[in-house]
Amino acid sequence: DVKVTQSSRYLVKRTGEKVFLECVQDMDHENMFWYRQDPGLGLRLIYFSYDVKMKEKGDIPEGYSVSREKKERFSLILESASTNQTSMYLCASKLTGVFTDTQYFGPGTRLTVL
Amino acid sequence: AQKITQTQPGMFVQEKEAVTLDCTYDTSDQSYGLFWYKQPSSGEMIFLIYQGSYDEQNATEGRYSLNFQKARKSANLVISASQLGDSAMYFCAMREPEDRDDKIIFGKGTRLHILP
Repeated sequence: DVKVTQSSRYLVKRTGEKVFLECVQDMDHENMFWYRQDPGLGLRLIYFSYDVKMKEKGDIPEGYSVSREKKERFSLILESASTNQTSMYLCASKLTGVFTDTQYFGPGTRLTVL
Repeated sequence: AQKITQTQPGMFVQEKEAVTLDCTYDTSDQSYGLFWYKQPSSGEMIFLIYQGSYDEQNATEGRYSLNFQKARKSANLVISASQLGDSAMYFCAMREPEDRDDKIIFGKGTRLHILP
């Protein structure tokens, strides 16, 4: 079974803090994704990566950066957290090239920025 | 314009009844894939069912089936004999054959409440 883990289920940070959200997958997937989920807006793609050290902006990259130094790990960084970044963050991974395959999701991190 | 439209923000259904969750999509591609996910209150996204645009049969997985109407660009999820544990958010999503990025576009979701 594919397993995607996220470093925290719940996180509370203060405005202006630097925040790291970590995601690790154990299935040697090339593609990894970070989404944020807000009520009434569904899932919106922040960044994705299709290989080590490769990253691409998604639909809402402003205020975020990412890092992928190892294939299994994809980190989302909030350089200076703001209250409008309070949200649920979901990480996902997928084997490249199999069109019919789903993305596999982690359990999510509920981030609150005070 | 939205690529995935789920018109029902919330639904209340009596236990054991069948449920249909609506999803329409917008694409100019001939080849695409459609997914449904369930998200319980715990937060994890659970893959339910997949339908390919060239699949002639409607996809089924246990109590889940996908009512695929290609000409209408509709991919409704049908849950038969609903159970209390079906209460959750449900997301419809689509993958288009862009490049290797394997991205998925999600709808805004439908919150389903099953009543005892």
